[in-house]
Amino acid sequence: DADVTQTPRNRITKTGKRIMLECSQTKGHDRMYWYRQDPGLGLRLIYYSFDVKDINKGEISDGYSVSRQAQAKFSLSLESAIPNQTALYFCATSTFVSGPLQETQYFGPGTRLLVL
Amino acid sequence: AQSVTQLGSHVSVSEGALVLLRCNYSSSVPPYLFWYVQYPNQGLQLLLKYTSAATLVKGINGFEAEFKKSETSFHLTKPSAHMSDAAEYFCAVSDPGNTGFQKLVFGTGTRLLVSP
Repeated sequence: DADVTQTPRNRITKTGKRIMLECSQTKGHDRMYWYRQDPGLGLRLIYYSFDVKDINKGEISDGYSVSRQAQAKFSLSLESAIPNQTALYFCATSTFVSGPLQETQYFGPGTRLLVL
Repeated sequence: AQSVTQLGSHVSVSEGALVLLRCNYSSSVPPYLFWYVQYPNQGLQLLLKYTSAATLVKGINGFEAEFKKSETSFHLTKPSAHMSDAAEYFCAVSDPGNTGFQKLVFGTGTRLLVSP
């Protein structure tokens, strides 16, 4: 079974709709991340969470919100979806070892979102 | 701010040929550097990372990368390409001054195509 799972894997929605992307992990990690991938732009960080009570904005958080329901679950919401939020969304997890260099981020398989 | 530049959005090689994927970083101090691979319909997987302990870093699947401070480069190589190496490869950088968090900044990616 995959350590980091994302649901749904594909989603088509309409402009203005609210949508939630979910991420679950069985790795026991405390840190979780949401990234967005656009063609030709690489991955950009949307939000990250160090634990259930510690949530931080990333590089491109406008238009998004998150919820850390439990250590193993981290959801990304688009309150009112717009077409330029069409992208591939990745969840990742990691745990602090002794410093950032010792961390490894583990990525889920991604959710492909199309906003019409 | 830290950044990486990946030259070439697509690289094509024949099976058995040398693979060379280029990555240059911009930073006033040597950053932490990473190479990730993304196979079709999968999340990103860490190939290797530069730890400052050695300039030549060996990773999984026969890949290696050499850190060259004078050239601000961290190019990824593999002596002999295999069909299974076809994927997208991302170079990423992390600020070593950020002691509490591995904040990755990704390049735009290079798609490796391997022909028989």
